[in-house]
Amino acid sequence: DAKTTQPTSMDCAEGRAANLPCNHSTISGNEYVYWYRQIHSQGPQYIIHGLKNNETNEMASLIITEDRKSSTLILPHATLRDTAVYYCIVTYNNNDMRFGAGTRLTVKP
Amino acid sequence: GAVVSQHPSWVICKSGTSVKIECRSLDFQATTMFWYRQFPKQSLMLMATSNEGSKATYEQGVEKDKFLINHASLTLSTLTVTSAHPEDSSFYICSARDGAPQETQYFGPGTRLLVL
Repeated sequence: DAKTTQPTSMDCAEGRAANLPCNHSTISGNEYVYWYRQIHSQGPQYIIHGLKNNETNEMASLIITEDRKSSTLILPHATLRDTAVYYCIVTYNNNDMRFGAGTRLTVKP
Repeated sequence: GAVVSQHPSWVICKSGTSVKIECRSLDFQATTMFWYRQFPKQSLMLMATSNEGSKATYEQGVEKDKFLINHASLTLSTLTVTSAHPEDSSFYICSARDGAPQETQYFGPGTRLLVL
């Protein structure tokens, strides 16, 4: 079973920031938070991951709360091509990727 | 980023036949590869984990004699669905990881299997 809770769906206006929350209240001290997304009929695409500190790359930013019980994935300027299912996954050794239902993000013009 | 390919991208076969799906890491050596299955409108479910040169480790409820996995090299893993039946119709996705457990898994584009 997935160790995370995410909203089922979210909408975002094109060009605006998309903030996708994830609760992982039972996360252990050595577990990472990973984010992947899956565009329809494709394999998942890696976005970002972090342990304690906030992380940023060319795709997104990951904000992890100080108690590490929740995190937020931020897409700074959403485009129509960002419409996808976003998965937040908590794992220690990357051997145990358990995908939950994810959040279906719809970016609207 | 790392690239993982799958072949074929889709396949239609008759019930009772076997189907082989290939997963390749194109620009890195994959010490560990994973196979997932995804039914329509559902999330990915891990089927098995394979390390190069070792037998695959199957998740509970996945029949190892039905889903044969061979990870013969650091860039290739194959999944063979033996004696396929209509209920095996699904989207099969592989992923590969380079090196240490903390390294990221990169996913292939998936193979859609339809068993008639």
